This record gives sequence, structure tokens and C-alpha cells, in this order.
Amino acid sequence: TQLLEQSPQFLSIQEGENLTVYCNSSSVFSSLQWYRQEPGEGPVLLVTVVTGGEVKKLKRLTFQFGDARKDSSLHITAAQTGDTGLYLCAGANTGGFKTIFGAGTRLFVKA
Amino acid sequence: GAGVSQSPSNKVTEKGKDVELRCDPISGHTALYWYRQSLGQGLEFLIYFQGNSAPDKSGLPSDRFSAERTGGSVSTLTIQRTQQEDSAVYLCASNIAGGPAGELFFGEGSRLTVL
Repeated sequence: TQLLEQSPQFLSIQEGENLTVYCNSSSVFSSLQWYRQEPGEGPVLLVTVVTGGEVKKLKRLTFQFGDARKDSSLHITAAQTGDTGLYLCAGANTGGFKTIFGAGTRLFVKA
Repeated sequence: GAGVSQSPSNKVTEKGKDVELRCDPISGHTALYWYRQSLGQGLEFLIYFQGNSAPDKSGLPSDRFSAERTGGSVSTLTIQRTQQEDSAVYLCASNIAGGPAGELFFGEGSRLTVL
């Protein structure tokens, strides 16, 4: 059974600070996604990484896929209160249909 | 439609009653997924449809859960004889066949509370 573990589970920081959250697995995935979910809404896709070692940047967010395609990280620079939410990583395999989700990292950015 | 639409957005029911949750995927999306999210938890895969067929139903928690999809579009998730542990947010997602695996478009969910 493929599992994704996210850490930390909860993170509370001040506006302007940097942070990194992690997503780890013992399994290899063809691709890995990061989603952000706000209360009362469904998850919204932020990025997909597919190549081992790949780094993608989305404004203040930097996503990295591990060389072995088993893990990923999300780094946020100069966090803002609008970054508050639940960050979920998900793994998928080409030709498969079951996207596996981690339990998420709940981020709270204080003004 | 423009996005994945789910109804009802909130449902409160008594233990033992049956409930139906509806999902209308994005137009043209042939793949449809149901997930369950308990309070503070990640997403638990329930079932996947490609067109009207469901290749894998093993994620359904018990035989009280069933799902169908007709016309390759709207899907209904039915929970019979609801139990308190069924309380959760039920999320529906869709994506286009052949699209990047894992890139799902989610609805806002149906929050089910079983008293």
C-alpha cells in the first residue's frame, strides 16, 4: 500500500517568516501534486512535479521533487496571512487512477 | 458546468437513515472520483469512475456504501443505514481522460453529519 506522510502536521508562524513542509513516501510515484484547501472548500491544485530533482516556483512557493521520486517539499518565502490553509500532497502513477493523499499540513500565518 | 458541483452542501441525518450525495463533474471530464475527508484528516479514496464503469470499488468502507454514474456525467453516492462514523465531508473530483494523473478538480464537498 502506498502511503504519503506529511510533516509537520501543524505549523503556526508569523507573517514574513519562511517555512518548509515535507511529503515523504517509501514508494515511487510517477508524479506528485500539491494542493491547498481552505475551510469549507475542496482542495485546489497548486502544482504537479514529474521529474526526479525537479524544482518549480510559483511566486513565493517553491516545490521540489526528490531525485528518487519518493518525496517532495514545499517552501514558502515571506509567508502572508493569505497562505493560511491545509496543504496536501498527493501521489499518482501513470495509467493508474488512485491518487493517494497525505494527511496534510495545517498552516496558520499570524499577522 | 464551470466547476464540479456537489449537493447538498450540508446534510444532517439521523442514525439509520439513508442519504444520497450528488456530484456533477466538469463538462467533458470522463473520470470521476469520490473521496472522504474526516475532521482534520487527509483524503480517503472511495471509488473511481471512468465513464459509467467503476474499475475499483475496494475503497468503499462497507457494503452500506454504493455509487453509480449514469450517462458518463452525474454520479450519486448512496449511504444506507447511516452510522455516526459516516460523518465526514464527501468530496467529488473529476479530470479529463488522458490528463495528467493526479491533477484533480474538486467540488466544495458535501458535509454529512449523522446524529
